[in-house]
Amino acid sequence: AQSVTQLDSHVSVSEGTPVLLRCNYSSSYSPSLFWYVQHPNKGLQLLLKYTSAATLVKGINGFEAEFKKSETSFHLTKPSAHMSDAAEYFCVVSERRNTGFQKLVFGTGTRLLVSP
Amino acid sequence: DADVTQTPRNRITKTGKRIMLECSQTKGHDRMYWYRQDPGLGLRLIYYSFDVKDINKGEISDGYSVSRQAQAKFSLSLESAIPNQTALYFCATSDLGTDPTDTQYFGPGTRLTVL
Repeated sequence: AQSVTQLDSHVSVSEGTPVLLRCNYSSSYSPSLFWYVQHPNKGLQLLLKYTSAATLVKGINGFEAEFKKSETSFHLTKPSAHMSDAAEYFCVVSERRNTGFQKLVFGTGTRLLVSP
Repeated sequence: DADVTQTPRNRITKTGKRIMLECSQTKGHDRMYWYRQDPGLGLRLIYYSFDVKDINKGEISDGYSVSRQAQAKFSLSLESAIPNQTALYFCATSDLGTDPTDTQYFGPGTRLTVL
């Protein structure tokens, strides 16, 4: 079965400093991996996705993530945090069933706090 | 995503009441999903539908039912609401036919409180 572990429930950074949100996954297959962001009182927005193409994936708003199979990791990074990046971030692994259904397994989320 | 809308956005109800949450999408996607989010637990799948005639239970379907009235509409019902159904509910859509990654796109959520 697939699983996702987000190693930090909260991460605090100062504006202009780098962001690192850590995610490790467990998968019996070649997984697809996603990062979603949830701003307060908003829905989940897709940041980026890895689907067995390039291992370094670029997303929206300057975020990127690197798929490392040997480390079973998919950490999210950004070189310089903005105040608007403050939100909750979810790492997600997918498990494709024989029926064609892609079950998403969500991590428990990391809340990013950005201070001036 | 503005292409996926949910109504109502907030609802407070009492134990035992019947509640319907509605989801509409203009993305033209075939697949639709209902999830609930509880603090510290991420999102969990309640039901999913591949098309109007194909509805399937997810991991936590007990106490819920769904209706796919049209390709663009997918409703979630709580027949007799109970307090532990207090949560944030999300609808999502995807389309395997046009996107081999079957990426899911989420609505803004409905915050439901059962007293």
